[in-house]
Amino acid sequence: GESVGLHLPTLSVQEGDNSIINCAYSNSASDYFIWYKQESGKGPQFIIDIRSNMDKRQGQRVTVLLNKTVKHLSLQIAATQPGDSAVYFCAENMSHGQNFVFGPGTRLSVLP
Amino acid sequence: GEEVAQTPKHLVRGEGQKAKLYCAPIKGHSYVFWYQQVLKNEFKFLISFQNENVFDETGMPKERFSAKCLPNSPCSLEIQATKLEDSAVYFCASSQDAGGNQPQHFGDGTRLSIL
Repeated sequence: GESVGLHLPTLSVQEGDNSIINCAYSNSASDYFIWYKQESGKGPQFIIDIRSNMDKRQGQRVTVLLNKTVKHLSLQIAATQPGDSAVYFCAENMSHGQNFVFGPGTRLSVLP
Repeated sequence: GEEVAQTPKHLVRGEGQKAKLYCAPIKGHSYVFWYQQVLKNEFKFLISFQNENVFDETGMPKERFSAKCLPNSPCSLEIQATKLEDSAVYFCASSQDAGGNQPQHFGDGTRLSIL
């Protein structure tokens, strides 16, 4: 289940199950969104992106859903593997040169 | 190169000393961004460059912090008279675009420890 820890929300899932990580973004004018994965000691790694003219985009084992009405973004990971354990960040951006604004992050723990 | 390269990986300074961090963006990327990450959480945007020109410096502390991206040199972030609160991981990212159309690609960061 999902819980709020001292520093980061944590999602624990069994290996092989599907994971859903949620993100509430802040700016209704944002039109480009990215999910990043950050492993310990590493920089954020691009997973998948979506533009505001879409509500769903699929990659390899990952799907991003965008609900602009409620400013909500989710990342679905199919058949979660131990290598998926990391902190996941959503990032939003408005066009015309604005920097990305990152969400607070969710730690995904994959249980054997 | 194919990756954003940040050096050093870890930098230790005494309080009050200067710290200088370096970033080589991906070849062909004209935008460079600096972020500060504290306690593995929030990314705080500091500054961005379009080639050697400052593009957005709204997140940059007015005092003690400065940054440059000079032609044919790695970009740099310099902190004068460091304070304990400057301890963080500093990430550099580069992009082909200012942000609205292309993802930013990150280096592995420089961990700055102020003692």
